[in-house]
Amino acid sequence: SAVISQKPSRDICQRGTSLTIQCQVDSQVTMMFWYRQQPGQSLTLIATANQGSEATYESGFVIDKFPISRPNLTFSTLTVSNMSPEDSSIYLCSVEETETNYGYTFGSGTRLTVV
Amino acid sequence: EDKVVQSPLSLVVHEGDTVTLNCSYEVTNFRSLLWYKQEKKAPTFLFMLTSSGIEKKSGRLSSILDKKELFSILNITATQTGDSAVYLCAVGYNTDKLIFGTGTRLQVFP
Repeated sequence: SAVISQKPSRDICQRGTSLTIQCQVDSQVTMMFWYRQQPGQSLTLIATANQGSEATYESGFVIDKFPISRPNLTFSTLTVSNMSPEDSSIYLCSVEETETNYGYTFGSGTRLTVV
Repeated sequence: EDKVVQSPLSLVVHEGDTVTLNCSYEVTNFRSLLWYKQEKKAPTFLFMLTSSGIEKKSGRLSSILDKKELFSILNITATQTGDSAVYLCAVGYNTDKLIFGTGTRLQVFP
């Protein structure tokens, strides 16, 4: 299965600032997915990132708040902009294992705390 | 509205017990049902199910899907303290999307 390196692992940020999360995959993938997991909640899809096109955002998520870059087939970033305490969550990137039956593989996650 | 519901929300057992976790779903354009184990941050893959009635096994874990009744179960036999985690059920729909349930928190005590 794919190996995804995600960083930072955790961060504590001041409200009003921005944080960029990076994911590097050890193989080329068409789509990468970004999820948020708020405390005590399950995973919610933020957006799908295709290389060479604008990311597709799910209902309730907007590009101004969560800009995404996908410069090539192995890398993507998610920025959490103008943060508030409500943005405190675990953020995860994911890829689909299209060549195997392993479903989707996740990065190691970023635990963000906004103070 | 598409949804995935897991039960129970939490479970406390002793080592050696057998547990059954449930996942029901209402999703249009169903593709697959997946089970994940989440101990810290990253969910780790357990099973992917696409066909009804075919049990998948991995050691003490097994899972089966019923596409007629729209549910799946995850069984863990002879539980160990290392099985303590949140177990997530997710359903793949359309071409590439996943919707997750809220998870079942399992605590296994010695």
